[in-house]
Amino acid sequence: DAGITQSPRHKVTETGTPVTLRCHQTENHRYMYWYRQDPGHGLRLIHYSYGVKDTDKGEVSDGYSVSRSKTEDFLLTLESATSSQTSVYFCAISESLTGLYGYTFGSGTRLTVV
Amino acid sequence: AQKVTQAQTEISVVEKEDVTLDCVYETRDTTYYLFWYKQPPSGELVFLIRRNSFDEQNEISGRYSWNFQKSTSSFNFTITASQVVDSAVYFCALSAQGNLIFGKGTKLSVKP
Repeated sequence: DAGITQSPRHKVTETGTPVTLRCHQTENHRYMYWYRQDPGHGLRLIHYSYGVKDTDKGEVSDGYSVSRSKTEDFLLTLESATSSQTSVYFCAISESLTGLYGYTFGSGTRLTVV
Repeated sequence: AQKVTQAQTEISVVEKEDVTLDCVYETRDTTYYLFWYKQPPSGELVFLIRRNSFDEQNEISGRYSWNFQKSTSSFNFTITASQVVDSAVYFCALSAQGNLIFGKGTKLSVKP
């Protein structure tokens, strides 16, 4: 069983609509992250969480919000989707903030905004 | 500031050739971790190796080897006798003080 799952795996949405992506973990890890992957940019951090209701911004947080009401779930919301947010989104979890125990990534969500 | 540079955007080799993927990093932290991930065409991120800043020993795992040199801030990855299944995008990443920073990746194509 995967310790981290993302849903949905694929989504097509229209410009201006709200979209929520879900990351669910069964590992009870404290730290959770959302990244986006775009050609030529690698993976860039959007937001991360260091505990329930504790979140912080990453490199490319504009246009995104997150929430973590339970240890196991980390939600990424695009309040009003734009075409520039078409991307592949990855969630990751870790036990340590420093990378001591590594990171586990979900399978990704491919989001297309038309 | 922390930064990871993978200067090679794309590399193409013929099967059985050796290939080295370069990774140069920047950080002011004395404790940090370096990673390599593989992303095959299917899209998932596959963890390959983690190395902490205090361990400069090179590592070999089958056809894969890693050369960590703090003096040049480099963490290079070599694939010996490449195979078609090695075709993927490879990412080098740095973790210090909480954020995992990725390089832009190197796309490796291994042709039969």
